[in-house]
Amino acid sequence: AQTVTQSQPEMSVQEAETVTLSCTYDTSENNYYLFWYKQPPSRQMILVIRQEAYKQQNATENRFSVNFQKAAKSFSLKISDSQLGDTAMYFCAFMKHGLRGATNKLIFGTGTLLAVQP
Amino acid sequence: NAGVMQNPRHLVRRRGQEARLRCSPMKGHSHVYWYRQLPEEGLKFMVYLQKENIIDESGMPKERFSAEFPKEGPSILRIQQVVRGDSAAYFCASSTSGNSYEQYFGPGTRLTVT
Repeated sequence: AQTVTQSQPEMSVQEAETVTLSCTYDTSENNYYLFWYKQPPSRQMILVIRQEAYKQQNATENRFSVNFQKAAKSFSLKISDSQLGDTAMYFCAFMKHGLRGATNKLIFGTGTLLAVQP
Repeated sequence: NAGVMQNPRHLVRRRGQEARLRCSPMKGHSHVYWYRQLPEEGLKFMVYLQKENIIDESGMPKERFSAEFPKEGPSILRIQQVVRGDSAAYFCASSTSGNSYEQYFGPGTRLTVT
């Protein structure tokens, strides 16, 4: 069974600084996807970034980038130039590569609460 | 294009009552996933449905919980005889196909059992 571990329950960063959130996972699969989701106080789940395991290049979306280390099963999220609106809970998630008949369920970590300080 | 809709957004039930949570997927999506988020925890998969079919209910509690996705209308997650431990946020997500990695989440329904 796959598991996702986020070892940092809470983190704090000053506005405009850079912060890195950690995530490790365990799987015997070779093809899969990894995601970071943001959950602000509104509780809406917002996709921040996605990484396909077969791609060696780290995904980047504006101020958000990942450091994907497949051998180490590590998938950290770096937020550059932090903004007050980045304050939220961040969840790391895993999904097996979709095969016909399989369930593409997301497996989430327990989350990291990020507070951006003015 | 409207996103995934869930209603109600907040639901209060007394112990022993029934709770019905509704999810309307995005237009053109025929696959629905339900997840539950207990306080201070991440989301956990409950059930995966296609129109008129339950494909995977491995995450559903064995008793009191059921789900459906009829040919017409929203997907329904039904909890009978609710208990305090059912208090949680329930999210649904929809996708275009069963092997798509893209799941679009609704805003969730927060169930409080008093």
